Amino acid sequence: QVTLKESGPVLVKPTETLTLTCTVSGFSLSNARMGVSWIRQPPGKALEWLAHIFSNDEKSYSTSLKSRLTISKDTSKSQVVLTMTNMDPVDTATYYCARIRGSWWGPYYYYYYMDVWGKGTTVTVSS
Amino acid sequence: QSALTQPASVSGSPGQSITISCTGTSSDVGSYNLVSWYQQHPGKAPKLMIYEGSKRPSGVSNRFSGSKSGNTASLTISGLQAEDEADYYCCSYAGSSSLVFGGGTKLTVL
Repeated sequence: QVTLKESGPVLVKPTETLTLTCTVSGFSLSNARMGVSWIRQPPGKALEWLAHIFSNDEKSYSTSLKSRLTISKDTSKSQVVLTMTNMDPVDTATYYCARIRGSWWGPYYYYYYMDVWGKGTTVTVSS
Repeated sequence: QSALTQPASVSGSPGQSITISCTGTSSDVGSYNLVSWYQQHPGKAPKLMIYEGSKRPSGVSNRFSGSKSGNTASLTISGLQAEDEADYYCCSYAGSSSLVFGGGTKLTVL
């Protein structure tokens, strides 16, 4: 059974750095054509893709948040870590990690759908 | 990357069919048939319902179907049931390994 679980602080202060950990089970972070994505959802608002990391350690970030995000993985620990610097109250949200899969489109493999999600962790940014 | 455009809300009666649209651009929805749809009940994590525009994961009812025309993808739910009441989000590949979500649609079963 594939599961993902997010962990991290519930409350962070403005300007601080947020560090979230996603611990996966049921698959390996070295499995080909799989990866882990982070997605967030402010209260009452839509989902927003943040970043993902693939089995070959390739990374991709949201253009609007790229300067603040870093994603990394520790395959031996089955963990993916997302850091977000300079937190602001507008970053208050539920943060989800999810396994990302893809499909062949012509000669290339594209990662684009999240087939298993964690339950999410709520982060509040407040002084 | 601008969010994909979805109607804020749709509604239907049990047994009816409804369609949720998801409009993007030639840089995302229009360029690739790499659209996924997610169902989210209140307080729960999203659940994958459709991928690659029209494919259903194992366990998802065949009442859910997807399609695409030009820059617009669509999710159709037939034989509407009370349990289908939820928020629905589309998501598209947007180039350079990036993704973009829609603004979400609240489905009400009357």
